[in-house]
Amino acid sequence: KNEVEQSPQNLTAQEGEFITINCSYSVGISALHWLQQHPGGGIVSLFMLSSGKKKHGRLIATINIQEKHSSLHITASHPRDSAVYICAVPNFGNEKLTFGTGTRLTIIP
Amino acid sequence: GAVVSQHPSRVICKSGTSVKIECRSLDFQATTMFWYRQFPKQSLMLMATSNEGSKATYEQGVEKDKFLINHASLTLSTLTVTSAHPEDSSFYICSARRQTTEAFFGQGTRLTVV
Repeated sequence: KNEVEQSPQNLTAQEGEFITINCSYSVGISALHWLQQHPGGGIVSLFMLSSGKKKHGRLIATINIQEKHSSLHITASHPRDSAVYICAVPNFGNEKLTFGTGTRLTIIP
Repeated sequence: GAVVSQHPSRVICKSGTSVKIECRSLDFQATTMFWYRQFPKQSLMLMATSNEGSKATYEQGVEKDKFLINHASLTLSTLTVTSAHPEDSSFYICSARRQTTEAFFGQGTRLTVV
């Protein structure tokens, strides 16, 4: 089973700050998911990436396959970005996902 | 983007009754759907993998007779919590897989058993 570690567990920042959330995993993968879970519980898939970098609006996700590490960045953070951010990776040899414990982000106005 | 719809979003039921949760892929055919359970402030825990037209594969420790999963079509999987007890109260969420590795998640269902 792939082991997934996320850091930090909790992050509080002022509106406008640049945010970085990190994810490390133990076994080589085909693709990594970044998910956003709002207080109501629903999950939104932000990115699925297998190499390099992806950008969507103020969100940027990068992955380094050799180092087994991915980062999620948020530029010009806003209170509406407050949520739990989760990275997930597939277990080697099957389609099941292993989830990180999540990073609870709070953006203060 | 692909949408997965989960219904209901919240349900309160009495102990001993059964509750059905639906997960639909709205604009793609999902040969595989996954059901997760999430306890407060914890990560998602995979309960079972649902394959269209065949029996679900349950994770170790998940009671298959209690959590009945049916994947009757390529766009619908259902999870039925039978004879619900207060300890079954939790957040249940489904995801559907499209093609090789893309995964899309439902909005989740918060079940409260009283």
